[in-house]
Amino acid sequence: DVKVTQSSRYLVKRTGEKVFLECVQDMDHENMFWYRQDPGLGLRLIYFSYDVKMKEKGDIPEGYSVSREKKERFSLILESASTNQTSMYLCASSSGQAPYEQYFGPGTRLTVT
Amino acid sequence: QKEVEQDPGPLSVPEGAIVSLNCTYSNSAFQYFMWYRQYSRKGPELLMYTYSSGNKEDGRFTAQVDKSSKYISLFIRDSQPSDSATYLCAMTESTGANSKLTFGKGITLSVRP
Repeated sequence: DVKVTQSSRYLVKRTGEKVFLECVQDMDHENMFWYRQDPGLGLRLIYFSYDVKMKEKGDIPEGYSVSREKKERFSLILESASTNQTSMYLCASSSGQAPYEQYFGPGTRLTVT
Repeated sequence: QKEVEQDPGPLSVPEGAIVSLNCTYSNSAFQYFMWYRQYSRKGPELLMYTYSSGNKEDGRFTAQVDKSSKYISLFIRDSQPSDSATYLCAMTESTGANSKLTFGKGITLSVRP
C-alpha cells in the first residue's frame, strides 16, 4: 500500500514565524502535491512537483514556497505565517501514470495565532 | 462557471437508504473520473475510478460517468453509518505525467442508524 506521511498532525504557530511542513512518500512516486482544505472552499492546490527539484505553482501559491531535494520528500514552507494560513494542509503523491490517482497523507491542522 | 460542480449538501439519510452523489463538469477533455472518501480529520482516500463513460461497481458502490452530459455519479446501496464521510469527486485529462486532478468541493454524508 502507498503510504504518505506528514510530519505533524497538529501545529500551532505564531504570526510571522517560518513554518515547515514535511511530507514523505514510500512508493517512488514522481509527482507530489500540497493542498490546503478549508470549509466551503474545498481542496486548493498550492504547489506541485513532478520531479526532484522541479516545482510548479498551483492555484494559490502566494505566501508559500516548496522544496524537493529528494524524490520521496516534499516540503511546504510558510515564509512568514499569517492568520489566514490557518487551515488543513494535505500532501499527496502520484505515479504520474494513468489513471493519475493521488494518494493523500493524513493532513496537518495548522493554527496560526 | 467552475470546472467541477458538486452539490454542497450536507446530506442525511437513514441506514439502508440508496445514496446518489453527483458532480457536473465543463471540461470535455476530462477522461479519468474518481471518487474519494474523507473521514473527519483524515486525508481523502481513493474509493474508485472510472475511465471515460460507463459504469463501475465495487461492492455496495457504483460509479457512473455520462460524458455526453458531463455528469458523474456515485451510488451507495444499503448505506451504513460507517459510510458517513465527505465524498469528493475528482477528474483529470490524460495529458501525461504532469496530470493534476480537479476536485469538487465535496459533500458531507451522514447515515443515521
